[in-house]
Order: sequence, then structure tokens, then C-alpha cells
Amino acid sequence: EVHLVETGGGLVKPGASLRLSCSASGISFSRYTMHWVRQAPGKGLEWVASISSSSSYKYYTESVKGRFTIARDNANNSLNLQMDSLRVEDTAFYYCARFSNGSLGDWGQGTLVTVSS
Amino acid sequence: EVVLTQSPGTLSLSPGERVTLSCRASQIVLSAYLNWYQQKPGQAPRLLISGTSKRATGIPDRFSGSGSGTDFTLTISSLEPEDSAFYYCQQYSSSPLTFGGGTKVEIK
Repeated sequence: EVHLVETGGGLVKPGASLRLSCSASGISFSRYTMHWVRQAPGKGLEWVASISSSSSYKYYTESVKGRFTIARDNANNSLNLQMDSLRVEDTAFYYCARFSNGSLGDWGQGTLVTVSS
Repeated sequence: EVVLTQSPGTLSLSPGERVTLSCRASQIVLSAYLNWYQQKPGQAPRLLISGTSKRATGIPDRFSGSGSGTDFTLTISSLEPEDSAFYYCQQYSSSPLTFGGGTKVEIK
């Protein structure tokens, strides 16, 4: 059974940094492209970033380019999202998800990031 | 980017009724890359339908998907109380990956 667990969320002030992690089990992690998707409280889903299986390709939504960095450690089955210069509008639940066969087939339970002064 | 518009925003129906949710794209989406997700309160999204019409593992056959080009549909043939949730369409036919705004299905 696939298991994705996000950690690292919390309450921070605007301008601060936070690093999210996603630990994967039950899959051959190194084979899959991984994504981060976020959801502001009471709002819809928004794609944030993705990274290819070998880290060769990384993509970001426009609003986080230059501030967020996606990375992975295939040896340890982990996915990370380094978030710098956080803004109030970055407040959301952050989910990691496995991309396979054209869809996001497996999701973690999410971790809440709150940016507030 | 491909904008996905879902309608209606909210649907309130009785158990046993047929439910039809719409997802309209701002440009053509390849059928293989149009997916539907279900999200219940306090839970992560769950893949329902991939590639327009393929049910994910464990999804009841009352859920079906159809469509092509710019118009896609998720149908629940007979609504069950546990189907109360938000439903999102999503495309990755072209980058960036985008989601529709969601449809809330309520049970009367």
C-alpha cells in the first residue's frame, strides 16, 4: 500500500522560511514524478510544483517561482519543498502526490502552513 | 494555461438521483490527461477517474466519466449518502497542471 506522509508545516511570519518533507513508502519512489499541490482553507486545489524521477526537470507555478524549491532524495524516498520569503497568500494545506499514468493517483494527508503576522 | 470551469458550483440532490457534473476546458484537452478527484471534508483528494473514463481502484461503478475535446462529464448514476463531497476535474494535457474550481455535491 502506498503511503505518503507530509511533515514540516506550521505557523510562520511573512518573509520567513519553511521546509516541507514528504516521506514515501510502498512504492518504488525513484520511478515517479512527484508533485506538490496546495489548498487554501475553504478553497480549491492549486498545483504548486513538480519534479521528475531523476530530478532532471522541475516546474513551478508562477506565484512561487524564485521562492520555492522542490527537491527529492531517492535514496531515502523523500520529497522536499523549501519555501522562502513566505507570504500570507501561501497559507494552505500542502499535499504531496505521486504522478502515474497521467494522474495524481496517491496523495498524502497534507500539512498546514500558516503565514501570519 | 488551460482553464477548467466546473459547473454547477453546488448541487443538492436526494439519494438515488442521477448526478451530472460538467468540466469545460478553455482549450482542447487530450482525453488521456483529464482526471476527476473526490475530496471529503478534512481529507486529502482521492483519484476517482483517470483518462476521462477509467475508474481508479476501488471506485464503485456508479461513478463514470465521459467527454472529449473541451467538454467532460462526471456522472454518478445513483447518488449515495457517502458521495457528499467536492469533486474536481484536472488536466495535464498541457503545462501547467490545472484543476477546476470544484463542484460541491450535497445530499438532501
